[in-house]
Amino acid sequence: EAGVAQSPRYKIIEKRQSVAFWCNPISGHATLYWYQQILGQGPKLLIQFQNNGVVDDSQLPKDRFSAERLKGVDSTLKIQPAKLEDSAVYLCASSLEGYEAFFGQGTRLTVV
Amino acid sequence: DAKTTQPNSMESNEEEPVHLPCNHSTISGTDYIHWYRQLPSQGPEYVIHGLTSNVNNRMASLAIAEDRKSSTLILHRATLRDAAVYYCILRDTGRRALTFGSGTRLQVQP
Repeated sequence: EAGVAQSPRYKIIEKRQSVAFWCNPISGHATLYWYQQILGQGPKLLIQFQNNGVVDDSQLPKDRFSAERLKGVDSTLKIQPAKLEDSAVYLCASSLEGYEAFFGQGTRLTVV
Repeated sequence: DAKTTQPNSMESNEEEPVHLPCNHSTISGTDYIHWYRQLPSQGPEYVIHGLTSNVNNRMASLAIAEDRKSSTLILHRATLRDAAVYYCILRDTGRRALTFGSGTRLQVQP
């Protein structure tokens, strides 16, 4: 079974630029999550989708972050404009029944 | 979300058992206890979960206190590949997302 795919693996941008991350969940998984993990901390939930609807985006900084999940499959997370404090690993995860979550390897973003 | 408390770090020797503790004194009756681990440069991966009874799988065992205010993840024979950050997470049946704390960093010495 293929895992959660994320791209790119690494990205370096200058502050105030925009960036987008892509996630392809495990086939058939209705629930998709985006997490932000700052170095030395545990992952923090940014947004949760159920199919293509948003379940929880309470911790998403909506002035600069946006996410979509078209057709209930792939998802993109965008940051515009990026700030230095957005430097982190962005993790995508999916689950079938809402319990065991499967995570991708993440995208490491460095904002300079 | 109910809070969990874990030691920041632990050390173990290879091929010895490891007991990773987690305190969750404010756990509610519908909270499941989940354990995930995160290997270096990887996303977290599921280890085990339980509600009231002890659980075993191929990766580990989960021992849950009778009052459910604490639990212990048991790795029966630690290997170097078990070096990771281990997260103890409570999640109720109505909420799907995992809320991570800072976890326990396990170091395994050869």
